[in-house]
Amino acid sequence: QKEVEQNSGPLSVPEGAIASLNCTYSDRGSQSFFWYRQYSGKSPELIMFIYSNGDKEDGRFTAQLNKASQYVSLLIRDSQPSDSATYLCSSESYKYIFGTGTRLKVLA
Amino acid sequence: DVKVTQSSRYLVKRTGEKVFLECVQDMDHENMFWYRQDPGLGLRLIYFSYDVKMKEKGDIPEGYSVSREKKERFSLILESASTNQTSMYLCASYPYRGSNQPQHFGDGTRLSIL
Repeated sequence: QKEVEQNSGPLSVPEGAIASLNCTYSDRGSQSFFWYRQYSGKSPELIMFIYSNGDKEDGRFTAQLNKASQYVSLLIRDSQPSDSATYLCSSESYKYIFGTGTRLKVLA
Repeated sequence: DVKVTQSSRYLVKRTGEKVFLECVQDMDHENMFWYRQDPGLGLRLIYFSYDVKMKEKGDIPEGYSVSREKKERFSLILESASTNQTSMYLCASYPYRGSNQPQHFGDGTRLSIL
């Protein structure tokens, strides 16, 4: 079992819709969770992080964490074609773990 | 702002060559990492370092070695390059284990072995 799991996609949503990206993790000791966006041929860039149960909002992005169920999600409201990218979920406990990423396509 | 600099964006080498990939960070981070990324396989950890002169194997260390003589610099070495090492290589750093801080990535080196 992979320690951080994501659906590889592609996840296709129409422009203006909400994109929902999900991630599950197996290490209950994980304390912090990060979402990175990666455009093709580029390096990952941090877009959100969350440490506590509940929701955290930053502009069009909302990260959600449920430690009891061991899942993390990222919601992107009013999706734009420029949001089309691969989104990587990662966790940190005693080491950093990355999921394989979900490819998002926002259709104009 | 944290800056992680990789020495080359693109590199072309021949099989059997010894290849050096350099990474420098400017924020006094203790932890540095080397990943390779191939289509459909995500980020795969090659080696990491938690301190100067310390190194630990990641998930795919075979065919690679690393060097960390100074805190700011972490080098990846391909001892005898092979075509299956053609890939995108990413260096990253973050402050220290358990810091709850994100990793910061360099721009990546796209390495082609002919």
